[in-house]
Amino acid sequence: EDKVVQSPLSLVVHEGDTVTLNCSYEVTNFRSLLWYKQEKKAPTFLFMLTSSGIEKKSGRLSSILDKKELFSILNITATQTGDSAVYLCAVGHNNAGNMLTFGGGTRLMVKP
Amino acid sequence: DVKVTQSSRYLVKRTGEKVFLECVQDMDHENMFWYRQDPGLGLRLIYFSYDVKMKEKGDIPEGYSVSREKKERFSLILESASTNQTSMYLCASRNSPGQPRQFFGPGTRLTVL
Repeated sequence: EDKVVQSPLSLVVHEGDTVTLNCSYEVTNFRSLLWYKQEKKAPTFLFMLTSSGIEKKSGRLSSILDKKELFSILNITATQTGDSAVYLCAVGHNNAGNMLTFGGGTRLMVKP
Repeated sequence: DVKVTQSSRYLVKRTGEKVFLECVQDMDHENMFWYRQDPGLGLRLIYFSYDVKMKEKGDIPEGYSVSREKKERFSLILESASTNQTSMYLCASRNSPGQPRQFFGPGTRLTVL
């Protein structure tokens, strides 16, 4: 059975801290891994990763994929209160219409 | 930017009622999806549609049905709502199966009493 596991389940940090969110997966026919940020509204797309070892970066956020060890990390440096959200990891399959299997999410709270 | 809208942000219904959740996307996307989101369980796929009048069961279709009469609109129907269907419902769309990225609506929080 396909499985995507995110850790930690929740995290509380202070502004300025650096955080690392983890996503491990066991899926058949891996095609891509996606990260989303969900505040109290629609999940918004952050990154899509398809190749190992190539870092994707957007401002203070970055992500990297390890297809050998089957995991990805999402790093956020110099956190701000606006980074408080649930971060979702999803893995895309090469079969069954390229569907996404989601992890349970990591809830991040950044305190001032 | 793609916009996906859902008919209600919050909805309260009684056990046994028929419930309609509506989703509309404005980017002519072929594929549309309905998920439910529960704490600790992530997003689970209920139904999806590759195109107009097409529908496929997802991982948890029991107790739900869908309708896609127009390309931009995908409706989720709870024929007889039950308390275990209390959840956050998220609609999503994407351009085609070749593009894994999905665009999400804001969600409908449904409470069944």
